[in-house]
Amino acid sequence: EAGVAQSPRYKIIEKRQSVAFWCNPISGHATLYWYQQILGQGPKLLIQFQNNGVVDDSQLPKDRFSAERLKGVDSTLKIQPAKLEDSAVYLCASSPHHGQPQHFGDGTRLSIL
Amino acid sequence: DAKTTQPPSMDCAEGRAANLPCNHSTISGNEYVYWYRQIHSQGPQYIIHGLKNNETNEMASLIITEDRKSSTLILPHATLRDTAVYYCIARDVNDYKLSFGAGTTVTVRA
Repeated sequence: EAGVAQSPRYKIIEKRQSVAFWCNPISGHATLYWYQQILGQGPKLLIQFQNNGVVDDSQLPKDRFSAERLKGVDSTLKIQPAKLEDSAVYLCASSPHHGQPQHFGDGTRLSIL
Repeated sequence: DAKTTQPPSMDCAEGRAANLPCNHSTISGNEYVYWYRQIHSQGPQYIIHGLKNNETNEMASLIITEDRKSSTLILPHATLRDTAVYYCIARDVNDYKLSFGAGTTVTVRA
């Protein structure tokens, strides 16, 4: 089966600019997650969707980050405006249902200048 | 979720078994032990998980002590492609979150 697809693979922007990341989960997976991984650390959950509804966004910095999964399939994560501390790899994961093992994409590496 | 403790790094020889320890002394009866690994520049990859019994799949074996306070991930025949950061995670059965720590950086040497 095809894995979780993410794009772009790399992105470089200046601080205060906006950026968006795209994720296409494994076909049929109802649950989708976005993680942030800062260099040298493990991934940290930002938001979880079950179909097109948000299950948990408690760790999402809502003043600048937003995410949507309009049709319960693809998802986008946006940062506006970006700060230097947002430099990280943004990982998308999906699972068939809540609580089952998550399958990760290879992420988008974001660099803020 | 229970906190897990792993050694920061370990080396192993190609072709030999790699035994990766994880301590989770405060784990509750409702928490699974999950293992993921992350190869450089890739996303984390699911390896295996278990609750009480030992588990084996095509990638690895998971040995959980009887008191569930620690576990060992065994890669039976390590290859250079197994070089990665390995994460041991305790996850509540009613929760969806994976709380990643710093993991163990495993280097397989020829």
